[in-house]
Amino acid sequence: EAGVAQSPRYKIIEKRQSVAFWCNPISGHATLYWYQQILGQGPKLLIQFQNNGVVDDSQLPKDRFSAERLKGVDSTLKIQPAKLEDSAVYLCASSLQGYNQPQHFGDGTRLSIL
Amino acid sequence: DAKTTQPTSMDCAEGRAANLPCNHSTISGNEYVYWYRQIHSQGPQYIIHGLKNNETNEMASLIITEDRKSSTLILPHATLRDTAVYYCIVRVATNTGNQFYFGTGTSLTVIP
Repeated sequence: EAGVAQSPRYKIIEKRQSVAFWCNPISGHATLYWYQQILGQGPKLLIQFQNNGVVDDSQLPKDRFSAERLKGVDSTLKIQPAKLEDSAVYLCASSLQGYNQPQHFGDGTRLSIL
Repeated sequence: DAKTTQPTSMDCAEGRAANLPCNHSTISGNEYVYWYRQIHSQGPQYIIHGLKNNETNEMASLIITEDRKSSTLILPHATLRDTAVYYCIVRVATNTGNQFYFGTGTSLTVIP
């Protein structure tokens, strides 16, 4: 089966600019996650969707980050405006609905802020 | 936020078994232990998970102590392609979903 697809693979922008990342989960996976991974650290959960609804966005910096999953499939994560500390890899993961389902990750988008 | 403790780094000779320990002394009765690994420039890859019993799949074995306060991931015959960062995660079940908290993991280097 096809894995989680993310694009772009790399992105370089200047601070205060805007940027958007796209994720296409594994077909049939109702749950979708966005993570931020800063260099040298483990991934940190930003937001979790169940179909097209937000389950948990408590770790999402809502003053500058937003995410949507309008039709319950693809998702976009946006940063506006970007700060230097947003330099990181942004990972998307998906899983089947249910309590004990493993998450499957894409290879992420590496964001560099100049 | 992470509820697990792992060694920062480990080495293993190619062809030998790699035993990666993890402490999760505050684990609750209904929390599962998951293992993922991350090869450079790739997303984390699911390896295995378990609750109480030992588990085995085509990639690895998971040994969980009887008190569930620690576990060990075993790669039976390590190859160079197993060089990666290995994350032990206790899955926290909240009323809003299943949250994964990653720590900094163990960097495993398989030596030829």
